[in-house]
Amino acid sequence: EPEVTQTPSHQVTQMGQEVILRCVPISNHLYFYWYRQILGQKVEFLVSFYNNEISEKSEIFDDQFSVERPDGSNFTLKIRSTKLEDSAMYFCARYRNNEQFFGPGTRLTVL
Amino acid sequence: GENVEQHPSTLSVQEGDSAVIKCTYSDSASNYFPWYKQELGKRPQLIIDIRSNVGEKKDQRIAVTLNKTAKHFSLHITETQPEDSAVYFCAASNRGRGSTLGRLYFGRGTQLTVWP
Repeated sequence: EPEVTQTPSHQVTQMGQEVILRCVPISNHLYFYWYRQILGQKVEFLVSFYNNEISEKSEIFDDQFSVERPDGSNFTLKIRSTKLEDSAMYFCARYRNNEQFFGPGTRLTVL
Repeated sequence: GENVEQHPSTLSVQEGDSAVIKCTYSDSASNYFPWYKQELGKRPQLIIDIRSNVGEKKDQRIAVTLNKTAKHFSLHITETQPEDSAVYFCAASNRGRGSTLGRLYFGRGTQLTVWP
């Protein structure tokens, strides 16, 4: 059984549009991470979210990105004005027992 | 920040042979080293991990070794099977806020192909 689910599984958008990716935990968790993986490349850290605030962010996580926990359970990653180079798989990961478990991912395609 | 290097980028072995993937890291503060297996189009799945207080860990056909002095760690797969074919990523991390786990720094991955 998956640790988390992510929606949508695939998102196609036009350059300059805003997208919101969602991470839905199976049960209540405090600590989540967002990563992205450009096709054929390594997994890159974006941001970690602990106890309803950003814990750490990478140099990739610039002003066009934001994270929220809008309803106390789901976690969202928003990209305000998408660029072609934002096309990638976006994974959220949850923390459990000193380990990180990845969700199934959202494939974002920016045209 | 941490820099994780992984070799080789591709590895082909015959079914039944062993496969070894090696990684090095730069930050001596890193204390957690997981390995993830990623099949095509799927999520990275944690297959084994090791912490800096041990030098070796084994789980059936998979083992991981850690040399803190040299800052390198390796994944060993014995008796390989075609279903072991995938991309394998090593990673390194440190402690995060609230005694949780910090960000993972990934290597570039190794495409393992096991020929029947």
